[in-house]
Amino acid sequence: KNQVEQSPQSLIILEGKNCTLQCNYTVSPFSNLRWYKQDTGRGPVSLTIMTFSENTKSNGRYTATLDADTKQSSLHITASQLSDSASYICVLREAGTALIFGKGTTLSVSS
Amino acid sequence: DGGITQSPKYLFRKEGQNVTLSCEQNLNHDAMYWYRQDPGQGLRLIYYSQIVNDFQKGDIAEGYSVSREKKESFPLTVTSAQKNPTAFYLCASSIDGTGELFFGEGSRLTVL
Repeated sequence: KNQVEQSPQSLIILEGKNCTLQCNYTVSPFSNLRWYKQDTGRGPVSLTIMTFSENTKSNGRYTATLDADTKQSSLHITASQLSDSASYICVLREAGTALIFGKGTTLSVSS
Repeated sequence: DGGITQSPKYLFRKEGQNVTLSCEQNLNHDAMYWYRQDPGQGLRLIYYSQIVNDFQKGDIAEGYSVSREKKESFPLTVTSAQKNPTAFYLCASSIDGTGELFFGEGSRLTVL
């Protein structure tokens, strides 16, 4: 069964530090991969989208990478801020319309 | 502003009662979706609709019902047949069946 696995499940970092969240997938083929940010008690908001042929995509302090050979994506957050505290969800769209969601990584940024 | 509005934000229900969650969008999107989110789990698809007066079951449709009488509205009814309805419910829309999902702010349902 196609799956999307995210790691770590949770992460605590100090404000100003960098961090990297991982997304491993077995979905194949897929048309695109998105990273969403979900604040507690709110709906997810899209951060980045990459097609299967792209390697990297940035959105401010967020940079997503995609390695199709190893079937891994990562989301790198630079110079973290307290407002980065949230869940980050990796989502793949299968060739077609079906979306496969990861369980998310919960990031806590402390001062 | 264009967006998706879900209501109510919080809802409490007694066992055996049906409850309807509202979802309205003014993005002129064709496709609308309902997801359920539980702690430690990924979003699970309940129902989706790609066009007015048509909808399909998702992965966990049992105990839920929907209607799509208008393009901008996609209400979800949680029936008494849903065994474990306490959860966070998210409505989303996309321009078509393959576009980016735009989510509402969610509705948290608690069964007492």
